[in-house]
Amino acid sequence: LAKTTQPISMDSYEGQEVNITCSHNNIATNDYITWYQQFPSQGPRFIIQGYKTKVTNEVASLFIPADRKSSTLSLPRVSLSDTAVYYCLAVFSGGYNKLIFGAGTRLAVHP
Amino acid sequence: EPEVTQTPSHQVTQMGQEVILRCVPISNHLYFYWYRQILGQKVEFLVSFYNNEISEKSEIFDDQFSVERPDGSNFTLKIRSTKLEDSAMYFCASSGTGERQGYTFGSGTRLTVV
Repeated sequence: LAKTTQPISMDSYEGQEVNITCSHNNIATNDYITWYQQFPSQGPRFIIQGYKTKVTNEVASLFIPADRKSSTLSLPRVSLSDTAVYYCLAVFSGGYNKLIFGAGTRLAVHP
Repeated sequence: EPEVTQTPSHQVTQMGQEVILRCVPISNHLYFYWYRQILGQKVEFLVSFYNNEISEKSEIFDDQFSVERPDGSNFTLKIRSTKLEDSAMYFCASSGTGERQGYTFGSGTRLTVV
């Protein structure tokens, strides 16, 4: 499984757009990029997943360039409730295998 | 939205005692997992389960641990003789087939070994 690297922490203010970048230089052809969100004392929650280009859902967008060596999670107009840890993971698409979590990015949204 | 349900939410046990953590995965999911998170640390994979058998397990999942799907709805994690270092949040997760919508995690069981 490809190793992912993301910033340890980020700060933002309510109403701003937040972009969290993840590096995955050794991503394999069959790997998808998946992002999870975790609040304190809760289980991780799936946010978005993509393979290439741009994916958008009701909570976020995911941008993956053609070389797939990095990806950016974009959270539009964050609120205080978006304060959480965000994890970027490379997930093998050929099966339903384990998820390998790193330390994630601790996002703090300020008033 | 379908949920993964875990019980109890918090369990305190004495060192050396057996504990069973319970999970009800999403009904049409076929793949089940246990993860744990020690306070302040990463979420760690323990075991995956499919078709009534273990698919993969980590080094953490030693002989003290076992999993079972005793009926069509429950998925359990048993720790035979708890140690202080087993204190952690334990998360159950499940995933389906076909669509790639990620894994659904439960809210966790906080296990405190004293």
